[in-house]
Amino acid sequence: EVQLVESGGGLVKPGGSLRLSCAASGFNFHTYTFNWVRQAPEKGLEWVTSISSSSRYIHYADSVKGRFTISRDNAKNSLYLQMNSLRAEDTALYYCVRETSGADYWGQGTLVTVSS
Amino acid sequence: AIQMTQSPSSLSASVGDRVTITCRASQGIRNDLGWYQQKPGTAPKLLIYTASILQSGVPSRFSGSGSGTDFTLTINNLQPEDFATYYCLQDSNYPWTFGQGTKVEIK
Repeated sequence: EVQLVESGGGLVKPGGSLRLSCAASGFNFHTYTFNWVRQAPEKGLEWVTSISSSSRYIHYADSVKGRFTISRDNAKNSLYLQMNSLRAEDTALYYCVRETSGADYWGQGTLVTVSS
Repeated sequence: AIQMTQSPSSLSASVGDRVTITCRASQGIRNDLGWYQQKPGTAPKLLIYTASILQSGVPSRFSGSGSGTDFTLTINNLQPEDFATYYCLQDSNYPWTFGQGTKVEIK
């Protein structure tokens, strides 16, 4: 069974940092591209970033470029999102998303709240 | 970035109805479009990918069509469990972009 389990969310002050993790199981993690997608409270979905299977290709939304860094450790079946210089508008539920034809598996999300 | 315009933003329908949701891309995206269902408190679920291919396990009352810039999600014989919010997503180019969502409510 495919499982994606995010962790690392929490309350952080503006300007602070947080590192999200996503633990994958039930499939060959190293063969898939992964994405982070976020959803602000009561709002729609926003794509954040993606990383190819070998980490060769990485893309960021303009809203997070220069502040967030996506990475992965294929040996540990894990995906990461380092978030620096956090802003109030980064408050959201962050989903780890596997990519095939579309976004076929989503984790349950981890909540990031940026507030003083 | 490619903009996805989804309509309507909400609709009311009854069990057994046929429902149609549309998404328009600001430029051609071939058939690189998916439809997702989200229920409150849960992660989105892939319903249809590549515009018209039903994801495994998804009921056949869901269908998708379109290519280029105009796409449609149709739900035939609406069931109680279909009341949810639906999103389109273009995965043709980065940045991926979602439609604004359509909330399907009970009439």
